[in-house]
Amino acid sequence: QSVLSQPPSASGTPGEKVTISCSGSSANIGSNNVNWYQQVQGAAPKLLIYSNSQRPSGVPDRFSGSKSGTSASLVISGLQSDDEATYYCATWHIPVNGWVFGGGTRLTVL
Amino acid sequence: QVHLVQSGAEVKRPGASVTVSCKASGYTFTDHYMHWVRQAPGQGLEWMGWVNPKNGDPHYAQKFQGRVTMTRDTSTSTAYMELKSLTSDDTAVYYCARRGGDIDFDSWGQGSLVTVSS
Repeated sequence: QSVLSQPPSASGTPGEKVTISCSGSSANIGSNNVNWYQQVQGAAPKLLIYSNSQRPSGVPDRFSGSKSGTSASLVISGLQSDDEATYYCATWHIPVNGWVFGGGTRLTVL
Repeated sequence: QVHLVQSGAEVKRPGASVTVSCKASGYTFTDHYMHWVRQAPGQGLEWMGWVNPKNGDPHYAQKFQGRVTMTRDTSTSTAYMELKSLTSDDTAVYYCARRGGDIDFDSWGQGSLVTVSS
């Protein structure tokens, strides 16, 4: 069980907006930046958002991130079928002096 | 562009050790830390540690201390992760992932499946 809590699943229809949450504590999200990763079934994860809200080049602006207090959120606007994947949040966790990942949220595009 | 190519799948007996390699190209290998992350079948991502390719200094997740060794060979731009005393719980896909500047896990290898079975 991860110290970062994500809903196990989310869904939406094409064109909709979906929000995926990541809840932590002052020992992790509250003190450090959050990154988000997208993993399509059978593939390696891919960086989606870093430093809470920054998009690497090549990531569409339909993907956005934010952080408030001890929680972070990933918003996907204009949902597309190829957004179907598992999304992970990650940050530094001070008590273990290491990185932790959320349990992942499997997004289904209906 | 950044390219991380990992070694192939391995099958090991319980109690054995495994070494996974990660060959980097497209950037200066010694300028960027290399993380190792694993994913058990149907499970989430688990961070194992990193190695600093410039000086070889590792930093391991507490869970793997004493059982994992992360090294590098600068002459071939390759990072290595050795895991000892394998059990069935170590069956997983193991990934290397670069720390690009201040961005952790910005590029990933394709993964190496390690299966532990008697």
